[in-house]
Amino acid sequence: GNSVTQMEGPVTLSEEAFLTINCTYTATGYPSLFWYVQYPGEGLQLLLKATKADDKGSNKGFEATYRKETTSFHLEKGSVQVSDSAVYFCALRWVDTGRRALTFGSGTRLQVQP
Amino acid sequence: DAGITQSPRYKITETGRQVTLMCHQTWSHSYMFWYRQDLGHGLRLIYYSAAADITDKGEVPDGYVVSRSKTENFPLTLESATRSQTSVYFCASSDPDRGRGYGYTFGSGTRLTVV
Repeated sequence: GNSVTQMEGPVTLSEEAFLTINCTYTATGYPSLFWYVQYPGEGLQLLLKATKADDKGSNKGFEATYRKETTSFHLEKGSVQVSDSAVYFCALRWVDTGRRALTFGSGTRLQVQP
Repeated sequence: DAGITQSPRYKITETGRQVTLMCHQTWSHSYMFWYRQDLGHGLRLIYYSAAADITDKGEVPDGYVVSRSKTENFPLTLESATRSQTSVYFCASSDPDRGRGYGYTFGSGTRLTVV
């Protein structure tokens, strides 16, 4: 079945450091890929997405490229801020008999220190 | 207000009690979902619904019941709560007509503690 594997956290960085959070997936066909962010005490918010190979999703300085050959969708940001501290979830969706459910990774907590 | 609303935000209940978590969305999205979030497991799908009166099991449906008599509401019931159902529960909705790249919109969650 479909699955998503994320690097374990927490990831602790200083402000303005470069961020990479690794995400790899296992899926049949060509899933759509997503990154969601969860700030403390809140629900998940869509951060960025990509629907086909070599697509690059971007938002708020974050980027991720859909790499079919390595089945990866790593999240990157060139310079993190304290306000980026949150839990980040990689997810995929493959339209499986119309279910349209997202499969999530286990989440990676990012802590950015001033 | 437009959006997706979950209630209650926090709930403490005793083992064996029946508990219902409410979810209401204002967009008329056809798809709705219930997930639970547990440390180390990320989000796991409990149940989902493709339309009113159409529901189906997800990964972890045991001990839960759902209904969807109206498009906008998707309540989740724990028939006889157990400590293992202590979790944060998230409801989400999605509009498949917006294409492959359209994700979900999540509610703010219900933190349920079973004592």
